[in-house]
Amino acid sequence: DAGVTQSPTHLIKTRGQQVTLRCSPKSGHDTVSWYQQALGQGPQFIFQYYEEEERQRGNFPDRFSGHQFPNYSSELNVNALLLGDSALYLCASSFGQVLYNEQFFGPGTRLTVL
Amino acid sequence: SQQGEEDPQALSIQEGENATMNCSYKTSINNLQWYRQNSGRGLVHLILIRSNEREKHSGRLRVTLDTSKKSSSLLITASRAADTASYFCATEDFQAGTALIFGKGTTLSVSS
Repeated sequence: DAGVTQSPTHLIKTRGQQVTLRCSPKSGHDTVSWYQQALGQGPQFIFQYYEEEERQRGNFPDRFSGHQFPNYSSELNVNALLLGDSALYLCASSFGQVLYNEQFFGPGTRLTVL
Repeated sequence: SQQGEEDPQALSIQEGENATMNCSYKTSINNLQWYRQNSGRGLVHLILIRSNEREKHSGRLRVTLDTSKKSSSLLITASRAADTASYFCATEDFQAGTALIFGKGTTLSVSS
């Protein structure tokens, strides 16, 4: 049973470019959340997708957008990259939007913006 | 913004010793979870404690929750070198829905 997978593992971009990160949830899960983790900090919630719609959003600008596909996989897009977008991007999956749900995290994508 | 604050920020112990980490949070919560992260990789879920629970055990882990003080503690007994990692508490609060709000973490180093 595959867990949460993310691609790519590492990515280097320059300021102003656009990037797309991908996530496949754990089998049986239908909800995907994205988090940004800066060095030395805890993860910060970006947004959550359920039934192909953005259901919740953290305090991130519109440059951060996403998508969920019918097979529950998800993409995170970041436009007009800034140096401050350099971070580990984590995807987490869970089943439904029920409270008390454990979230399973992927290994993350390390994004470096030069 | 961060909700939880872990204390201490860093902890160094010897194998076999117990490690205690604390977490304080600001708002009313549905539940509190503890996660482990090895070397900047993905997070591994350790334990979830609901707001109406006071203590929970899982193997060598013991978690307590005091909602009146808005605090939680994670105790790892008989630590091993493999426990070396960063530990984060995460809460789901009534306003944030099911989004997890993490603290900055405690970095635990266990030396043999």
